[in-house]
Amino acid sequence: QITLKESGPTLVKPTQTLTLTCTVSGFSLTTTGVGVGWIRQPPGKALEWLALIYWDDDKRYSPSLKNRLTITKDTSKNQVVLTMTNVGPVDTATYYCARRLLSRASSYDFWGQGTLVTVSS
Amino acid sequence: DIQMTQSPSTLSASVGDRVTITCRASQSISNWLAWYQQKPGKAPKLLIYKASTLESGVPSRFSGSGSGTEFTLTISSLQPDDFVTYYCQQYNNYPWTFGQGTKVEIK
Repeated sequence: QITLKESGPTLVKPTQTLTLTCTVSGFSLTTTGVGVGWIRQPPGKALEWLALIYWDDDKRYSPSLKNRLTITKDTSKNQVVLTMTNVGPVDTATYYCARRLLSRASSYDFWGQGTLVTVSS
Repeated sequence: DIQMTQSPSTLSASVGDRVTITCRASQSISNWLAWYQQKPGKAPKLLIYKASTLESGVPSRFSGSGSGTEFTLTISSLQPDDFVTYYCQQYNNYPWTFGQGTKVEIK
């Protein structure tokens, strides 16, 4: 059974650094073709693509956020971590992680349940 | 970035109706397009990928078509569970981008 689960703080103060963790099970982050990405959704708004990391450590970022984002993986823990620096109220959103498999030629086929992060003083 | 524009933003329909949602890309994305369904408070669910390939377990009333810059999602006969929001997403170029969403509501 393939699952992804996001974890992290629910409340962050402006200018702080946000660290979110995606813990996966049912597949391996070292399998050729596996990618895990982050997507966010502000309340009542559309989805926004943030970053993606592949099994070979290839990393892709949204250009508009690239200066503030870092995506890494810890294969021993089956985790993908997203760090966002200097957060502000506009970063309030539900953050999702999701899996991509190159071999399927699909986009994200499995998603976590999401975690709501509020940025407020 | 490639801009994805969905139309309409809101669609009013009845159970049993055939509905079509359109997604246009600002440049060609070949057939690297996915459609997602999102229910309130839930994560998006993959319906269709590569523009027309139905994800496993998705009812056959959902279908997708198109290539290049214009794509459609068709629901052949709306069911009560289908009155939610749908998003298209291109994955031809990074950064991947989503449409703004189409909410299907009950007429």
